[in-house]
Amino acid sequence: NAGVTQTPKFQVLKTGQSMTLQCAQDMNHNSMYWYRQDPGMGLRLIYYSASEGTTDKGEVPNGYNVSRLNKREFSLRLESAAPSQTSVYFCASGGGISNIQYFGAGTRLSVL
Amino acid sequence: GEDVEQSLFLSVREGDSSVINCTYTDSSSTYLYWYKQEPGAGLQLLTYIFSNMDMKQDQRLTVLLNKKDKHLSLRIADTQTGDSAIYFCAERGNAGNMLTFGGGTRLMVKP
Repeated sequence: NAGVTQTPKFQVLKTGQSMTLQCAQDMNHNSMYWYRQDPGMGLRLIYYSASEGTTDKGEVPNGYNVSRLNKREFSLRLESAAPSQTSVYFCASGGGISNIQYFGAGTRLSVL
Repeated sequence: GEDVEQSLFLSVREGDSSVINCTYTDSSSTYLYWYKQEPGAGLQLLTYIFSNMDMKQDQRLTVLLNKKDKHLSLRIADTQTGDSAIYFCAERGNAGNMLTFGGGTRLMVKP
């Protein structure tokens, strides 16, 4: 009964380093999402994937890339990390007519 | 783009009722959601309401929707210390599956 699993849980990077955040869901959902959460700003959508093989930009896509590897997995890549990307990143998946989104536990990223 | 607004903070005493309010701008909203986030955790869906409903009750939770005023509220009856968390309102428009989230209301429950 895993739901949405994100790895890693914590990461510290130096400016300019790259990394990939992994996300997997076992609920057979078509849609998957990446958000970032900053204090007082709620959740902002970075990228989403409405179905396997498609990805689209959200509200704050600059500095990120994504890959929908298969129906289960949706990864987020930071090619050259910047301090402004220090945040908590959440992956979510959703489906059905109400499109309830289910969230992972988050990745806490610090860029020094 | 569309906007969802919430007050930042609410403090109540244990056993009282809590009412968390949310306003939104999207007149084509189809579904509206309430999520709860405990410290260090992800968001957990509490409840949701379809836009053609004006009320939904689920145990201690009551959701009221005033579509004319674009106002959504979440009432928690008999608030407990375990209800202390951040509560997010979110809405879904009629185009696509994306949600727009409010900034969250931090609920503090005092013993």
